[in-house]
Amino acid sequence: AQTVTQSQPEMSVQEAETVTLSCTYDTSESDYYLFWYKQPPSRQMILVIRQEAYKQQNATENRFSVNFQKAAKSFSLKISDSQLGDAAMYFCAYSYSGNTPLVFGKGTRLSVIA
Amino acid sequence: DSGVTQTPKHLITATGQRVTLRCSPRSGDLSVYWYQQSLDQGLQFLIQYYNGEERAKGNILERFSAQQFPDLHSELNLSSLELGDSALYFCASSVDGTQPQHFGDGTRLSIL
Repeated sequence: AQTVTQSQPEMSVQEAETVTLSCTYDTSESDYYLFWYKQPPSRQMILVIRQEAYKQQNATENRFSVNFQKAAKSFSLKISDSQLGDAAMYFCAYSYSGNTPLVFGKGTRLSVIA
Repeated sequence: DSGVTQTPKHLITATGQRVTLRCSPRSGDLSVYWYQQSLDQGLQFLIQYYNGEERAKGNILERFSAQQFPDLHSELNLSSLELGDSALYFCASSVDGTQPQHFGDGTRLSIL
């Protein structure tokens, strides 16, 4: 079974600084999808970024980028120029294909210090 | 706004009762997923429907059941409720394998 591990239960970052959240996963598949979801205090689940395993280029979305290391099964999220609104729980997730259920990590709670 | 609508937002009930949670997917999305988020178990997949048919089953208890109707909305039925069923229940939808899942705002279920 696929598993997703987030080894950092909590992280903090100064406003305007950069922070990296770690995620590792285990799968025997060669094609799959990886995601980062953000859950602010409002409890909504907001898609931050998505990476297809067949793409070698790392995905970026404005201040958010990933470092996808397929051989190491690592998928970290980098948040640049951190803002107070980035404070949230961040979940790493895996799916075998785009139309299959997500497997989530336990999450990393990110605090942003003004 | 994700376009996925879940009702009700909050539900408070007692042990032994039965409740129904409702989800309307984004327009055009054929797949509906149900997830449970609890403090001790994290986010867990319960069940998936695709165009009215059950597609995948996760850690869903026998006391729970779901269905997807012809208009593609879905309902999750929880019966013989226990204290441990208190959680945030999310519905997510996707159109096909090329697009990611988008989540509703969830239904917070509290069992007293």
